[in-house]
Amino acid sequence: DAKTTQPNSMESNEEEPVHLPCNHSTISGTDYIHWYRQLPSQGPEYVIHGLTSNVNNRMASLAIAEDRKSSTLILHRATLRDAAVYYCILRDVDPSGSARQLTFGSGTQLTVLP
Amino acid sequence: GAVVSQHPSWVICKSGTSVKIECRSLDFQATTMFWYRQFPKQSLMLMATSNEGSKATYEQGVEKDKFLINHASLTLSTLTVTSAHPEDSSFYICRPGQAEEGEAFFGQGTRLTVV
Repeated sequence: DAKTTQPNSMESNEEEPVHLPCNHSTISGTDYIHWYRQLPSQGPEYVIHGLTSNVNNRMASLAIAEDRKSSTLILHRATLRDAAVYYCILRDVDPSGSARQLTFGSGTQLTVLP
Repeated sequence: GAVVSQHPSWVICKSGTSVKIECRSLDFQATTMFWYRQFPKQSLMLMATSNEGSKATYEQGVEKDKFLINHASLTLSTLTVTSAHPEDSSFYICRPGQAEEGEAFFGQGTRLTVV
């Protein structure tokens, strides 16, 4: 699996936007960029994913660089509940139709300050 | 509502005993189940991949005789930690596999403490 690189930790003030970066310079043309987050003592939770175009959903926005070698997860207004470890993961779709595992890196620990 | 149900959410057991963790896929049939383990302040590590009706595939360094996986139906997979030791204390998480692209769903996790 192609590797991703994220900062170990970031801080944000409550109600301010947060930009979480991810580098994936070895991404292949068929890799989707996925973001998951994990709150303490819980399983990971899906945030957003995309392939080439920027994506928006109710949780966040995903900005993908034109060369796809990096991406940024944007939380528009951080809340205390957004404090979590955020994982940027590349996921390929198996052409045989088999399920593919997700390889987790170390992620970014986001601290939200009140 | 929850798509994946994992039980128990936490368990404390004595050394030498066995513990069973259940993972149910509620909204879709899971031919494949992924089991992860997460030690404190570390990331999730894949332990094994199970396919319904066949033997599980274990990652390097994971003892298949210690971590027994049963995937007898498309909605239920179990992980049994046999003869548990304190070093098996960890957070265990399941994830039903999906072939198509899109959101992946994880179990809530099971915190195992072996005393």
